[in-house]
Amino acid sequence: GENVEQHPSTLSVQEGDSAVIKCTYSDSASNYFPWYKQELGKRPQLIIDIRSNVGEKKDQRIAVTLNKTAKHFSLHITETQPEDSAVYFCAASIHTDKLIFGTGTRLQVFP
Amino acid sequence: GAVVSQHPSWVICKSGTSVKIECRSLDFQATTMFWYRQFPKQSLMLMATSNEGSKATYEQGVEKDKFLINHASLTLSTLTVTSAHPEDSSFYICSARPPGNEQFFGPGTRLTVL
Repeated sequence: GENVEQHPSTLSVQEGDSAVIKCTYSDSASNYFPWYKQELGKRPQLIIDIRSNVGEKKDQRIAVTLNKTAKHFSLHITETQPEDSAVYFCAASIHTDKLIFGTGTRLQVFP
Repeated sequence: GAVVSQHPSWVICKSGTSVKIECRSLDFQATTMFWYRQFPKQSLMLMATSNEGSKATYEQGVEKDKFLINHASLTLSTLTVTSAHPEDSSFYICSARPPGNEQFFGPGTRLTVL
């Protein structure tokens, strides 16, 4: 089955700096890669997603890149703000079916 | 966006009792719903896929006789934790997916077994 690895587990940045979180997946059949932000005790919130027919997608300060050959995808957050502090999860699935999540990255943005 | 609700939001029960958690899609029909479990400071782990009108599909290592799933209608799936024990204490989150769309998550249910 699918296995998703995520790095780093924690990430501390200064406000205004960029943050990058990386994931790798194992199943070449996976074609949908969402990223979620989760605050303590809350549901995961979809912040951006990418499908395998696209190499990059951007939404304001957030971007995701996908390298199908290497089975890597990454989340890029620019101009970080304190409210970006949360736990971020990557996931992989086939056609938005059952999601296999990465282990999570705790992002702390210091003012 | 689509709305998914869960009830209850939290529950405390004694060891050995059963607890039922409901997941509802409020503004769309969902032939498939998913149940995840999240232990503190850990990731979401898929437990099972709930299919309307048929048996749920359980992930490896998840006991189907302990975690009973019933998807009785296109808007409701229930998860029953039978004979709950302290190690079942966790955050249970469901999700539902409109056809061809991404998954929408419920707010989660925090289960504490004493």
